[in-house]
Amino acid sequence: DAGVTQSPTHLIKTRGQHVTLRCSPISGHKSVSWYQQVLGQGPQFIFQYYEKEERGRGNFPDRFSARQFPNYSSELNVNALLLGDSALYLCASSLEWGQETQYFGPGTRLLVL
Amino acid sequence: QKEVEQDPGPLSVPEGAIVSLNCTYSNSAFQYFMWYRQYSRKGPELLMYTYSSGNKEDGRFTAQVDKSSKYISLFIRDSQPSDSATYLCATGGGTSYGKLTFGQGTILTVHP
Repeated sequence: DAGVTQSPTHLIKTRGQHVTLRCSPISGHKSVSWYQQVLGQGPQFIFQYYEKEERGRGNFPDRFSARQFPNYSSELNVNALLLGDSALYLCASSLEWGQETQYFGPGTRLLVL
Repeated sequence: QKEVEQDPGPLSVPEGAIVSLNCTYSNSAFQYFMWYRQYSRKGPELLMYTYSSGNKEDGRFTAQVDKSSKYISLFIRDSQPSDSATYLCATGGGTSYGKLTFGQGTILTVHP
C-alpha cells in the first residue's frame, strides 16, 4: 500500500510569491496534518484537518492556509512568501481526528529566494 | 522554555554500542509519546509509540516514559550503521489533541 504522498518534492520561489503544496493520505486515513521543519529543528505543527474541517491550528500567520477535499487529500497554501518560509513541509495522516499515531510523507522542500 | 527539550548531539558511537537518546517535556497533560527516525532529506518514520508511563520493546529498540519526572528515553541495542539518522521525540494528547510537539532531534552516527 502507498504511504503518504506529497507533491512537488522540491520547489524554488521568490519572496512575495504564493505556493501550493499537495498531500494524499494513506488509504483509509481521514485526518491530515501539516508541519513545518526548518533545518536543524523538529517539525512544528501548522494545521490539522478532519472531514474537511480545520480541527487545529498552530502558531503560524494568516499567510498560511489549508483545506481538505472530499477524498481526504489536502493542500497547504502560503501567500506572500518570506525568506524564513524556506523549510521542509511535511504532511502526516492518521486514521481519525486526534490520533497521535501520525504517519509522515517525504515532504516538500521549499526554498524562498 | 520549549515544551519538549532534546539534546541535539551529534552523537557518534561504534557499531554494536548501546545508544541512549533522551527528551524532557514540560506539559504534564501529555499522554502519548513517540520516537521518529528521520534519514537525511526524508520524512520522519514512526519507530515507537507509548501511552503513559512504562516501557515498550520492539526488537533492538526500547522506549521508556517516566511521567513523574517528565522524561522520555529511547535505547538502541547492538547499534548498526543503518541506524545513523536523526531521532525525534514527540508528545501529544491532553489539550494538544491531535497535535504532535517535537523535540529538536538528535543526530546519531554509528561507525562500522
